[in-house]
Amino acid sequence: NAGVTQTPKFRVLKTGQSMTLLCAQDMNHEYMYWYRQDPGMGLRLIHYSVGEGTTAKGEVPDGYNVSRLKKQNFLLGLESAAPSQTSVYFCASSYMIGAGGGTDTQYFGPGTRLTVL
Amino acid sequence: AQKVTQAQTEISVVEKEDVTLDCVYETRDTTYYLFWYKQPPSGELVFLIRRNSFDEQNEISGRYSWNFQKSTSSFNFTITASQVVDSAVYFCALSETGYSTLTFGKGTMLLVSP
Repeated sequence: NAGVTQTPKFRVLKTGQSMTLLCAQDMNHEYMYWYRQDPGMGLRLIHYSVGEGTTAKGEVPDGYNVSRLKKQNFLLGLESAAPSQTSVYFCASSYMIGAGGGTDTQYFGPGTRLTVL
Repeated sequence: AQKVTQAQTEISVVEKEDVTLDCVYETRDTTYYLFWYKQPPSGELVFLIRRNSFDEQNEISGRYSWNFQKSTSSFNFTITASQVVDSAVYFCALSETGYSTLTFGKGTMLLVSP
């Protein structure tokens, strides 16, 4: 099992350019997440998905869009990159736990380091 | 509302010292799960432990141990005889019934010097 993989690992963009980050998981997890991590800010949730075809906003969703067309993939898009989006992006996935729909252990991808000039 | 507090922003110890990382949580749920993750300087996030709210038994794994106390809403992590390889940022997190997201603490950076 590869677990959670992210593509690409590094990327440099110019302001205004667009790009898509791909996350793939082979653990048949229902839930998938995109986080960003900035120095001293911990992990901040951007968007998440509780199933194929469904997405929801997290703590810092502005400037990002997501899609989950297949259960194993979760795409994060930047339509018009800004320097404030320079960050390390992590994808994670998990099973649902309990009847109430809580999240079980989240497993993380290796991260994508994005620089916007 | 759910909240996780890791009051220690940074801890510095010398190798072989014992160190405890504190985690205090707030929740109204009676069923919940607590987690610890490690982020070494290489950057990946590594899952360490998961504990459910009905199991207050302490856990030991090698040099690592976890003390879960519902009475004080704490889930503290102790490293015995610390090593340089333990240098990392450690995150505590909370999962509650009905919430499909984790609530993370801000993390504690542990620096172990030789």
